[in-house]
Amino acid sequence: QKEVEQNSGPLSVPEGAIASLNCTYSDRGSQSFFWYRQYSGKSPELIMFIYSNGDKEDGRFTAQLNKASQYVSLLIRDSQPSDSATYLCAGNTGNQFYFGTGTSLTVIP
Amino acid sequence: NAGVTQTPKFRILKIGQSMTLQCTQDMNHNYMYWYRQDPGMGLKLIYYSVGAGITDKGEVPNGYNVSRSTTEDFPLRLELAAPSQTSVYFCASYSGANVLTFGAGSRLTVL
Repeated sequence: QKEVEQNSGPLSVPEGAIASLNCTYSDRGSQSFFWYRQYSGKSPELIMFIYSNGDKEDGRFTAQLNKASQYVSLLIRDSQPSDSATYLCAGNTGNQFYFGTGTSLTVIP
Repeated sequence: NAGVTQTPKFRILKIGQSMTLQCTQDMNHNYMYWYRQDPGMGLKLIYYSVGAGITDKGEVPNGYNVSRSTTEDFPLRLELAAPSQTSVYFCASYSGANVLTFGAGSRLTVL
């Protein structure tokens, strides 16, 4: 069974700091990995995806993928109170997606 | 584009009642999915479809049925509602290019 494991947190960081979110995955055949942000009572929204080893940057967000270690991370630089949410890590194989349980992040003003 | 539209947003059912959650997408995506999310848990796949007329079971299909008569619509049917089906349900569609788009969700309570 394909699985993604995340530390459920909660993770608290002060405003302006770097937040680091991590997940590991079980299926070496997985092709791409995704980070979704989910505010309380709302639906998940895609922040970014990554499919190549290394780093991918988009504004304040950097995703990192290490296929040898089966490890995916998301760094949020200059964290803002508006970044407070649950972050879901997901992987896919073809058209099948599987999700972690999410990490709750609180950014303290 | 409206994206993925789900109705209703909220519903309370009595045990044993039936209902249909509606999902429509206007992005012409072939792939559509129904997930449920319980508090503090990740998304569990109920059913999915790879195109009109084709559906398949996901991880937690028991107690649910789906149909896909058109590309746009993918309704989820709950027969004989049980308290274990109290959850938030998300419909999603996939472009095939790393973009999975979710609807706003339907919060269902079974009493």
